[in-house]
Amino acid sequence: DAKTTQPPSMDCAEGRAANLPCNHSTISGNEYVYWYRQIHPQGPQYIIHGLKNNETNEMASLIITEDRKSSTLILPHATLRDTAVYYCIAYVAASNTGKLIFGQGTTLQVKP
Amino acid sequence: SQTIHQWPATLVQPVGSPLSLECTVEGTSNPNLYWYRQAAGRGLQLLFYSVGIGQISSEVPQNLSASRPQDRQFILSSKKLLLSDSGFYLCAWSPGTGNEKLFFGSGTQLSVL
Repeated sequence: DAKTTQPPSMDCAEGRAANLPCNHSTISGNEYVYWYRQIHPQGPQYIIHGLKNNETNEMASLIITEDRKSSTLILPHATLRDTAVYYCIAYVAASNTGKLIFGQGTTLQVKP
Repeated sequence: SQTIHQWPATLVQPVGSPLSLECTVEGTSNPNLYWYRQAAGRGLQLLFYSVGIGQISSEVPQNLSASRPQDRQFILSSKKLLLSDSGFYLCAWSPGTGNEKLFFGSGTQLSVL
């Protein structure tokens, strides 16, 4: 699985869009990009995933560059409850041999 | 709907004592099951994963072992705990159909003293 690189921390003003970047320059063609977030002491929560096309759901949007070497998770209107550690993972959905390995993630601090 | 149960929520154990953490999943069959550990201030470390009964893959050498005696039961064990085993242990499951969206349990905070 491709290694991902994320900034260790970011700040965002409440009500503004939070844009969290992720580099995955060695990603292969069949690797998906997954995003999770964790508010300790809970376990991580799934946010969104994608392969090539941009994706949007009720939580966030995922923008994947055309060469797939990087992506951005967008929280359109960040709230204080979005303060969390955000993990970007590149993963091959192989034939039932799946395992997701988390990196250090980005700690997002939403400020009033 | 599917649910995952993990217990206990907190555990304080002396060094050298045994450990058994249990995780069960309801509402699905043949899930992939995972044990992760998170040390204080650190990221998530994958310890074990299982794609079926009796099938365990270990990601890192350590003082722990895992077993899957039933389809939806995953157990993390140790014969003798070390101080370095302290941490937040999370069980997770995924459908195992190529869509590896993970669903996590509530975690066990283990303190080895």
